[in-house]
Amino acid sequence: QLVLTQSPSASASLGASVKLTCTLSSGHSSYAIAWHQQQPEKGPRYLMKLNSDGSHSKGDGIPDRFSGSSSGAERYLTISSLQSEDEADYYCQTWGTGIGVFGGGTKLTVL
Amino acid sequence: QVQLVESGGGVVQPGRSLRLSCAASGFTFSSYGIHWVRQAPGKGLEWVAIISYDGNNKYYADSVKGRFTISRDNSKNTLYLQMNSLRAEDTAVYYCAKGAVDTTWLCDYWGQGTLVTVSS
Repeated sequence: QLVLTQSPSASASLGASVKLTCTLSSGHSSYAIAWHQQQPEKGPRYLMKLNSDGSHSKGDGIPDRFSGSSSGAERYLTISSLQSEDEADYYCQTWGTGIGVFGGGTKLTVL
Repeated sequence: QVQLVESGGGVVQPGRSLRLSCAASGFTFSSYGIHWVRQAPGKGLEWVAIISYDGNNKYYADSVKGRFTISRDNSKNTLYLQMNSLRAEDTAVYYCAKGAVDTTWLCDYWGQGTLVTVSS
């Protein structure tokens, strides 16, 4: 079964960096994912597509502070030089044969 | 710029029906697959359904299969979600999202959502 697992919460200080993790279920380590950001009371915003080899392509207008990387079944989103507006929920997304899947989301708090 | 505007949400009794719409602009609507994704109050995102660019292929989450129908009118640049036999657990904000050019299953633009509340 295709499942994405995310930690429910993360926190980091203003100006620091943070690395969020999305883990693919067993047998799906080659899958690409997408990262999305959802600021409070807003619709989601597409950040990037992240492949299993770590290559990634970002959505329109996404700052260089956002980057992605991969290791095995883990997919990472790194946000550097944290700003207050980065406080948001972050979701990973993937897809299989006839099905779309979202992770449970990580709530990022900027201290 | 790409714009997706959902409408049609509201309060509906359990067992009744509701139809959502998503008006698209800023891109060639007839060339892209489109998704419905929902978010229950205080919860995460849940993928609901996808329709191919030409409407010939449709896929649904198990939670809505047999009750919801996704459709599109490319002449009107509009996506629809017909929701029948609604349940309390269908209460959510419903978003439409555009599929990416190289990976239809990836959502690369989102609307602002419309709230559906199923309650007696």
